[in-house]
Amino acid sequence: DARVTQTPRHKVTEMGQEVTMRCQPILGHNTVFWYRQTMMQGLELLAYFRNRAPLDDSGMPKDRFSAEMPDATLATLKIQPSEPRDSAVYFCASGLVRTGGAEQYFGPGTRLTVT
Amino acid sequence: SQKIEQNSEALNIQEGKTATLTCNYTNYSPAYLQWYRQDPGRGPVFLLLIRENEKEKRKERLKVTFDTTLKQSLFHITASQPADSATYLCALDMRSDYKLSFGAGTTVTVRA
Repeated sequence: DARVTQTPRHKVTEMGQEVTMRCQPILGHNTVFWYRQTMMQGLELLAYFRNRAPLDDSGMPKDRFSAEMPDATLATLKIQPSEPRDSAVYFCASGLVRTGGAEQYFGPGTRLTVT
Repeated sequence: SQKIEQNSEALNIQEGKTATLTCNYTNYSPAYLQWYRQDPGRGPVFLLLIRENEKEKRKERLKVTFDTTLKQSLFHITASQPADSATYLCALDMRSDYKLSFGAGTTVTVRA
């Protein structure tokens, strides 16, 4: 049963520290998404990649967030420096985009707490 | 501005009844609409996708309708069970390279 995996599942860090979250998409999927979920804002798209190329990162703060996909099996989301307002659950999702739409498969999320 | 609204944050129903959830949108012309289920502490799980030229889609006890004139989708859970208790999210694709915009979700609680 293919799944999206994310590490770590939980992360507690102090303000100013660097945080790196990792995602392994489902093999064969050509699109990878990064989302952030909070009670106030709901589920927000931060960035996404198609065939490893970044397509849109307009949803994330450019000065502190960066997203990369060094190879087809790994996507990373980095926050440097982290701030308390970054506390949220970060989800990675992957999908096989084709004509007519594409469902997304979400990982279990990384719960980030910045103190 | 673009907006997606899901009816009431919470819906409580008796087991065996039909739950009906609403997703309304403004200033969108989505190519298709999706529904996801999210359980506490877990990522959303895809349930159904309906395209703009489709009126209705079914999957087991789930039914989705899509009215592009009313700018509304209805999501029905028939013969509801306590295991259906979860938050249900609607998501719209804006013809912009398959990006999804999500509603805030409706939490359904099915009482035994």
